[in-house]
Amino acid sequence: DIQMTQSPSSVSASIGDRVTITCRASQGIGSWLTWYQQKPGEAPKLLIYTASSLQSGVPSRFSGSGYGTDFTLTISSLQPEDFATYYCQQANSFPITFGQGTRLEIK
Amino acid sequence: EVQLVQSGAEVKKPGESLKISCKASGYSFNSYWIGWVRQMPGKGLEWMGIIYPGDSDTKYSPSFQGQVTLSADKSITTAYLQWSSLKASDTAIYYCARRYQDSSGYYNWFGPWGQGTLVTVSS
Repeated sequence: DIQMTQSPSSVSASIGDRVTITCRASQGIGSWLTWYQQKPGEAPKLLIYTASSLQSGVPSRFSGSGYGTDFTLTISSLQPEDFATYYCQQANSFPITFGQGTRLEIK
Repeated sequence: EVQLVQSGAEVKKPGESLKISCKASGYSFNSYWIGWVRQMPGKGLEWMGIIYPGDSDTKYSPSFQGQVTLSADKSITTAYLQWSSLKASDTAIYYCARRYQDSSGYYNWFGPWGQGTLVTVSS
C-alpha cells in the first residue's frame, strides 16, 4: 500500500495569511494526488485533483502543486471559512489511501 | 444536481447485523462507481471499497475485505454497506461518495459525498 504522510499535523494561522500544507507519498504517484477539505460535522469536500486541478466552484486562493512523491496545498490568503481539516489522498492505485489530515486552526 | 443521501444514524449491539444506504439522484446511477469511506471518532479517512452499480463489480481495501459487503440496487438507485456481525470497533461515521469519471475513463477521486451515517456499536 502507498503511505501518505502530511505535515504539519496542525497549524495555526490568521486571516489573510498564506498557508502551505505538504503531503508525501511513500512511492511515486505521478500527479495522482487529491486534496479534500473537511469542516467539523460535515462530509469531506473535493478541492483539488491531479495535484493541481481546481474542482469547479473552489476559490482560486486554493492551489496545489507537486509530482512524484512530494505535494503541496497552498491557501494564498486565509478566509474564515477555510479553517478546517485537509486531507491528501493518492489516486494512483488501489487500495486508495489518505494522509492523516492537517488541522488548520485560527491563531 | 448530483446528490447522495445516506440513511440515518444507527445504534447497534455487538454481534448484530446492519445495512446502511446511500440514495443517489441527479445522474445515471448505473454508470458511476460509488465508494465508501470510514471515519472513526476523531480520526482520519479510510477508504473501504467501491462498487459499480451497473454490474455490481466491487473492489475492496484489504483492510475491509471480508469484514463488510458492498451492494447496490439499480431499481432504486441505492448503494449499501453492510455488516453481518458488528464489533465495537465498527463505531464510526461512514460516507459514500461518487467516483470521478469523464469521457477518458474512471479516476480515483471522489465527489460529491453523502452526509455520512453514524454507526454506534455498544453493549
